[in-house]
Amino acid sequence: QKEVEQNSGPLSVPEGAIASLNCTYSDRGSQSFFWYRQYSGKSPELIMSIYSNGDKEDGRFTAQLNKASQYVSLLIRDSQPSDSATYLCAVGLSSNTGKLIFGQGTTLQVKP
Amino acid sequence: DAGVTQSPTHLIKTRGQQVTLRCSPISGHKSVSWYQQVLGQGPQFIFQYYEKEERGRGNFPDRFSARQFPNYSSELNVNALLLGDSALYLCASSPRTGSSEAFFGQGTRLTVV
Repeated sequence: QKEVEQNSGPLSVPEGAIASLNCTYSDRGSQSFFWYRQYSGKSPELIMSIYSNGDKEDGRFTAQLNKASQYVSLLIRDSQPSDSATYLCAVGLSSNTGKLIFGQGTTLQVKP
Repeated sequence: DAGVTQSPTHLIKTRGQQVTLRCSPISGHKSVSWYQQVLGQGPQFIFQYYEKEERGRGNFPDRFSARQFPNYSSELNVNALLLGDSALYLCASSPRTGSSEAFFGQGTRLTVV
């Protein structure tokens, strides 16, 4: 079992729709959770961080965390073609090593 | 403020050679981490340094080494390069150690031929 799992996609949504990206993790002691956006040929860009159960909203983005189910999700409202990218879920482990475990990423395609 | 800067941006090396990659963190950040990202996969953790001390090491061979300088910049060294070392090498800057937010530089694309 991979430590952080994401569906590789591609996930295709029409412009203006809600895109829902999901991630599961295996380490129950994980303390921090992040979503990164990576455009083709570029480096990952941090877009959301979440540390406690529930929802966290930032503009069109909402991160959701459920530690009991070991599940993190990212919702993108009013999706735009510029949102087309690979979205990486990253989990910070319970140990103090600073290590982030990344999923393989989900490719999102927003069609005009 | 300047973000994380890495150099060089691209590099081509021959098998068996050695390479040094450099990273300057965001001003005020004391932690630097290194990741390797091969095509189609998420980044894999190589090292974290905080206050010049190694705080974490990933599952990479001893050919990989790193250090952090008093100004918090860092170098990643890879010896005896293999074809499989071809990847995007990412440096991430964090304000502190532990599982905190990490901000990536633009990366160094290493090609081993």
